[in-house]
Parts: sequence; C-alpha cells; structure tokens
Amino acid sequence: DVKVTQSSRYLVKRTGEKVFLECVQDMDHENMFWYRQDPGLGLRLIYFSYDVKMKEKGDIPEGYSVSREKKERFSLILESASTNQTSMYLCASSLSGLGRGNYGYTFGSGTRLTVV
Amino acid sequence: GENVEQHPSTLSVQEGDSAVIKCTYSDSASNYFPWYKQELGKRPQLIIDIRSNVGEKKDQRIAVTLNKTAKHFSLHITETQPEDSAVYFCAASLGANNLFFGTGTRLTVIP
Repeated sequence: DVKVTQSSRYLVKRTGEKVFLECVQDMDHENMFWYRQDPGLGLRLIYFSYDVKMKEKGDIPEGYSVSREKKERFSLILESASTNQTSMYLCASSLSGLGRGNYGYTFGSGTRLTVV
Repeated sequence: GENVEQHPSTLSVQEGDSAVIKCTYSDSASNYFPWYKQELGKRPQLIIDIRSNVGEKKDQRIAVTLNKTAKHFSLHITETQPEDSAVYFCAASLGANNLFFGTGTRLTVIP
C-alpha cells in the first residue's frame, strides 16, 4: 500500500561526499516535493517540481539540487555534504491543483541522514 | 509568500479531555488548510482538511474550524486517547500546489 517510497530509511555519509536521496511515487502525481524536518523548525521546503524536468527552489535550496527525469521519480542531491545537513528528509507528492482545486500531500517515510 | 504560525508547540492533556491547536496565516488568498499527524518515526499523514468556502468540518472526534476574517484555523480533538499522541502540523495553500507548514505541535495524551 506504500505509495511514496524513499530509497533509504537511514544513511550515514562523510563530509564532502555527494549524496543522492531518491523518491518514487506510483500515484501518477504531477507535483513532488523535498522537505527537511528539524526539531522546532517544522517542515522546510528545499525544492519542488510541478512536472518532468521542471524544478523550483523552495525556502532553503542552498547546498542542494534536484533532478526529475521521469514523472514518478524525484531525486535530491547534496553536492558536497556538510554536517549542518544532518536531518530527516521527507519527500511528498500531490496531484496538480490546476483547475481542480487543492490537494493534500502524500509523504514518504523519510530518510534520516547523518553527515559525519 | 504565505506565513503560517502554529501554537502551542507542545500540549499535554489528560485522556478524555479535549485538545485544541491553533494556526494563523498571513495571506488572505489562501484557500486550502490541511492538518497532518505524524506519529513517532512515521510519515506525516493527512487527517482532515478544510477549504475556504467552509467554516467547519468534522470527522468523528476531529474537527477543524476556519475563520477567514481573522485568518486563523484550529484543530479540535475531543475525547483524546493515548493513540492521539503525535506531532500535528497545520498548513495553508495559496494556490493550486504549494503548502506552507506550521512548525508543529507535539501533543501528549496522559493516560
């Protein structure tokens, strides 16, 4: 019944490494999002995508990039991991609201990334 | 962009009592207000939502109210149970796609 799948539940990487976080959804959703979740800061939007090959910066894009080559897959890339990127990363997807009104998100289970 | 504030950050209630979590938003154009529940170690899940053309919506023990004039909306949980213990997030949407989240409320229901 899992609809949004994140490839890793826990990940430990070294400072300076390039890190790939993968997210796949099987609901044919147009929109996909990457958030990071930190205690006391809630959910902060890193990047989002409304369509294949399309990406938009969120509130905290610095140090991250994304790739969406296929509709079902949205990848978050940490170009050179740093300790301040240690966090829980949540992927989400939703139907496009254009012409249909708003829809809620379906979240993945999250990837807890530790950068040492 | 939209700014969503959520209070309180933590809330403890006795089992059977009611819990209320409040959120305010800044942009009067926001028209969709979902609430998410995140249990420990699990993904956030949508529990209830309300659109701007409705003032109140109820689903069993959970209700959400919206005051567009004051730009605030609230989650009400009645007859709380230990399994209601979780972090709750409110959110608001300006348009068709993006959600802006509050910072979360950690609810603890004491048996």
